[in-house]
Amino acid sequence: EVQLVASGGGLVQSGGSLRLSCAASGFTFSSYWMHWVRQAPGKGLEWVSCIKSDYSTTYADSVKGRFTISRDNAKNTLYLQVNSLRDEDTAVYYCARDLAYTFDYWGQGTHVTVSS
Amino acid sequence: QTVVTQEPSFSVSPGGTVTLTCGLSSGSVSTSYYPSWYQQTPGQAPRTLVYNTDTRSSGVPDRFSGSILGNKAALTITGAQAEDESDYHCLLYMDSGIWVFGGGTKLTVL
Repeated sequence: EVQLVASGGGLVQSGGSLRLSCAASGFTFSSYWMHWVRQAPGKGLEWVSCIKSDYSTTYADSVKGRFTISRDNAKNTLYLQVNSLRDEDTAVYYCARDLAYTFDYWGQGTHVTVSS
Repeated sequence: QTVVTQEPSFSVSPGGTVTLTCGLSSGSVSTSYYPSWYQQTPGQAPRTLVYNTDTRSSGVPDRFSGSILGNKAALTITGAQAEDESDYHCLLYMDSGIWVFGGGTKLTVL
């Protein structure tokens, strides 16, 4: 059974940093592209970042230069380092597995709250 | 910057048919954008309904179908049920490794 378990969220001051993790199981993690998606309170979904199986990465303009996606295939874990946090980064952060340019499995989400 | 457009809200009667759309602020949606659709209820993670324009995800009832209608991607629910009351999000792949979600449609079944 495919499982994605996100963790690492919390309350952080504006300008602070966090590292989000997503533990994957039930599939060959190294073979799949992986994504982070976020949802601000009461808002729609926003794609944040992708890391391909060859470790190449892409980012939404809203986070470029502040967020870094990475993966550890030995630990079957996806990461998102979030730096220079702003109020507008407050959101639930979901990890998701890529299938043919779509997201087929989603984690349960981890909450990030930025306080000013 | 490309904006993906969805109806903010829609209403359908139980047993009725509704078509939600996903367009672009500039240009037409085609299969090259690999449109996909997600259902989300409050407090829950999204659930994948349709990917690659018209392929239903495993376990999704066949009352959900995806297509291209004119210049937009579309999600049609045929025979809507009360449990279909949810938010629906579309996603487009913009090439160059960038994905963009629409603003979401809140569907009411009443």
